[in-house]
Amino acid sequence: SQQGEEDPQALSIQEGENATMNCSYKTSINNLQWYRQNSGRGLVHLILIRSNEREKHSGRLRVTLDTSKKSSSLLITASRAADTASYFCAHTSGTYKYIFGTGTRLKVLA
Amino acid sequence: NAGVTQTPKFQVLKTGQSMTLQCAQDMNHNSMYWYRQDPGMGLRLIYYSASEGTTDKGEVPNGYNVSRLNKREFSLRLESAAPSQTSVYFCASTRMTGTGPLTGELFFGEGSRLTVL
Repeated sequence: SQQGEEDPQALSIQEGENATMNCSYKTSINNLQWYRQNSGRGLVHLILIRSNEREKHSGRLRVTLDTSKKSSSLLITASRAADTASYFCAHTSGTYKYIFGTGTRLKVLA
Repeated sequence: NAGVTQTPKFQVLKTGQSMTLQCAQDMNHNSMYWYRQDPGMGLRLIYYSASEGTTDKGEVPNGYNVSRLNKREFSLRLESAAPSQTSVYFCASTRMTGTGPLTGELFFGEGSRLTVL
């Protein structure tokens, strides 16, 4: 299976704290993306990082990519209760396929 | 804007019955995808259609068929449903950018929740 893995599987933090989740993948990639899924809803794109980039920022989101370790991390700073959701990484590798990781369930306590 | 629309939202089937999940997008995207989501498994790709007129197998195609009816519509058919196909099914679409590496984000529908008894 080409499916990536994410850790932790679940994360519970207090409002205002930072949340970090990690993603590992198995093949060479063109880019890696992070998505968010609220309970019972479809996924929504958050941020994309290309294989030649090492770090990218978007608002309270910071993504890093280490192609030598085949891993990426998503940092959400100053978490809010509204950030409670599941987060997935997805990578593409030169074909039309988007392969998703297993996801991290984040719960932010008010 | 409707985006990606999936029907039905909920369905209960008996083992052996057949059904078709419908997906339509109004964003003029050329590539469309079907995923299934199971607890602890993330999203797994069933089939995809890189462009109108083409379809290809993903990671878990067994027990499914697809049809790219036109640029807007991509349907997923279960010919003989099995309890192992109980899942949430998501359709997604994106615009390909020429022949280079993929850069487009995926746009998802709200999901179709299927239970096979």
